[in-house]
Amino acid sequence: EADIYQTPRYLVIGTGKKITLECSQTMGHDKMYWYQQDPGMELHLIHYSYGVNSTEKGDLSSESTVSRIRTEHFPLTLESARPSHTSQYLCASSEQVADTEAFFGQGTRLTVV
Amino acid sequence: SQQGEEDPQALSIQEGENATMNCSYKTSINNLQWYRQNSGRGLVHLILIRSNEREKHSGRLRVTLDTSKKSSSLLITASRAADTASYFCATQNNNAGNMLTFGGGTRLMVKP
Repeated sequence: EADIYQTPRYLVIGTGKKITLECSQTMGHDKMYWYQQDPGMELHLIHYSYGVNSTEKGDLSSESTVSRIRTEHFPLTLESARPSHTSQYLCASSEQVADTEAFFGQGTRLTVV
Repeated sequence: SQQGEEDPQALSIQEGENATMNCSYKTSINNLQWYRQNSGRGLVHLILIRSNEREKHSGRLRVTLDTSKKSSSLLITASRAADTASYFCATQNNNAGNMLTFGGGTRLMVKP
């Protein structure tokens, strides 16, 4: 069982609201990632971090922002949610070394109405 | 764009049969990994094969890697209904920050 946690698991929110999806890991991993995934579809990397105070944009353009103030915490924020943001958001972490697996949280299913 | 392309997109078999899924990628890699995802859940790592390896086994899983063809296959032998899930390949390139780039996945259904 991976020690990486996402909250909330499900969120239904109105258009225009600000939301923050939480992700925490207790494995001391430097690298953390956010992926966006529509049901049954591929994963798209939207943000990643190499460590504290490091944040980078991924392959898929996203209106969300992230922060990495502590090693264990990598929250994702949407300033103004829109229906197009409806998706599943998956957080993952891994060690900094090569040839290592990623550990995933259970995901947050976001619905913007 | 995604690095990996998986084939088939969906596969339906009977319990006890073998399931084979294929993954192709475009750029050089240091390793290729396979993950499993149950519906609506996060991904779970299954197996990692390095670029200098050709075949790897883990229980009922067998993974092959052909770097000349930029392709990999995942074989699940003697499938069970509990193997029903989506399976994703992901490539990692140490020169690209060790980012994991995922393919589109194969949805496997194993009928009892």
